[in-house]
Amino acid sequence: AQSVTQPDIHITVSEGASLELRCNYSYGATPYLFWYVQSPGQGLQLLLKYFSGDTLVQGIKGFEAEFKRSQSSFNLRKPSVHWSDAAEYFCAVGPNTGNQFYFGTGTSLTVIP
Amino acid sequence: NAGVTQTPKFQVLKTGQSMTLQCAQDMNHEYMSWYRQDPGMGLRLIHYSVGAGITDQGEVPNGYNVSRSTTEDFPLRLLSAAPSQTSVYFCASRPGGMSGGVYEQYFGPGTRLTVT
Repeated sequence: AQSVTQPDIHITVSEGASLELRCNYSYGATPYLFWYVQSPGQGLQLLLKYFSGDTLVQGIKGFEAEFKRSQSSFNLRKPSVHWSDAAEYFCAVGPNTGNQFYFGTGTSLTVIP
Repeated sequence: NAGVTQTPKFQVLKTGQSMTLQCAQDMNHEYMSWYRQDPGMGLRLIHYSVGAGITDQGEVPNGYNVSRSTTEDFPLRLLSAAPSQTSVYFCASRPGGMSGGVYEQYFGPGTRLTVT
């Protein structure tokens, strides 16, 4: 069965520190992977996506993610976090067949001065 | 482009009432979907449509109806609201419904529904 796991419910980092949000997936075929960000009271905005090719993908707002097939992971990283990065982050997978996307339960990021 | 729009932003219903959440997109996307977002559960797919006249159930369809008479609109109907339907509802769209392909979804701003 397809699923996405985000092991960290909540993460707190200091402004300027580096960030890594974890995402593991279970998918029966080549996955198509996404990271979305949700600011309070807002909809979801796409940060980046992986369909094929280079396993390190760059996104908006200085984020990047690396696809590791051997670990079934697609972790999101940012070298230096800004206070405006405080938000909820969702990892999602699919579809390459069918029409369903599967979302993780989200990681809430707090940034402290 | 307005993208994906949803109305209303907030709604309070009493148990047993019915209502329709509106969703529209102006990007000529084939695929549209409805999700509900609950704390600790991420987004769960309620219903989706791969084109006008075609709809299908997602993970949590019970208590909800949809129809797709035009490419632009995809309303979600609650037939008899229950407190368990208190949630934030998101509509999303993307290209590549019946025509295939893989694309990211574009989300509306959400509707916060409370059922008392």
